[in-house]
Amino acid sequence: SQQGEEDPQALSIQEGENATMNCSYKTSINNLQWYRQNSGRGLVHLILIRSNEREKHSGRLRVTLDTSKKSSSLLITASRAADTASYFCATDEKSGNTPLVFGKGTRLSVIA
Amino acid sequence: SAVISQKPSRDICQRGTSLTIQCQVDSQVTMMFWYRQQPGQSLTLIATANQGSEATYESGFVIDKFPISRPNLTFSTLTVSNMSPEDSSIYLCSVEAARGGYGYTFGSGTRLTVV
Repeated sequence: SQQGEEDPQALSIQEGENATMNCSYKTSINNLQWYRQNSGRGLVHLILIRSNEREKHSGRLRVTLDTSKKSSSLLITASRAADTASYFCATDEKSGNTPLVFGKGTRLSVIA
Repeated sequence: SAVISQKPSRDICQRGTSLTIQCQVDSQVTMMFWYRQQPGQSLTLIATANQGSEATYESGFVIDKFPISRPNLTFSTLTVSNMSPEDSSIYLCSVEAARGGYGYTFGSGTRLTVV
């Protein structure tokens, strides 16, 4: 079953703008991860933030985690047309080798 | 990190038939996970496949419909049996990428259309 909600469901921005996607979850977590999916293909792991972390950066990506609110956000700065994809958050409850529970995802369109 | 080869990448099948999807991992892994992604939806876990034991299925998924094999630590198959149009989805396998919080690696997915 889905862990929670993501918003917005769809986001359309101009190239160069920043894109912010939010994710909420319901249960306690070990970590929270963000994945990208291009055109219904396999998922690509973007970034992982542990439950004891509050913020993490990787290149143009910035992830925040608020465990008190059971929410996370993914910020993509200076977006490019190639960032057009669906983005999913996913959580696991235990450390290592446990299945992920996915959010509903955000479809991002970056217009050149 | 682990690399998965998944095939077929897509197939169009007649209702009532079965399709077997294969995932080959380039390293030994304990657990493999199978997900279904219905059109326009997110991923839902079908089952967890542990080598040497029967797969553990999530609520709403049964072994007769989605039998899974896990003959060794690098390979698994998922069969979609007696297919109906409602089975049209993308099916993905996944393994932990590496120890230490690097996320999970996914196969490229099998896009199944049942007509």
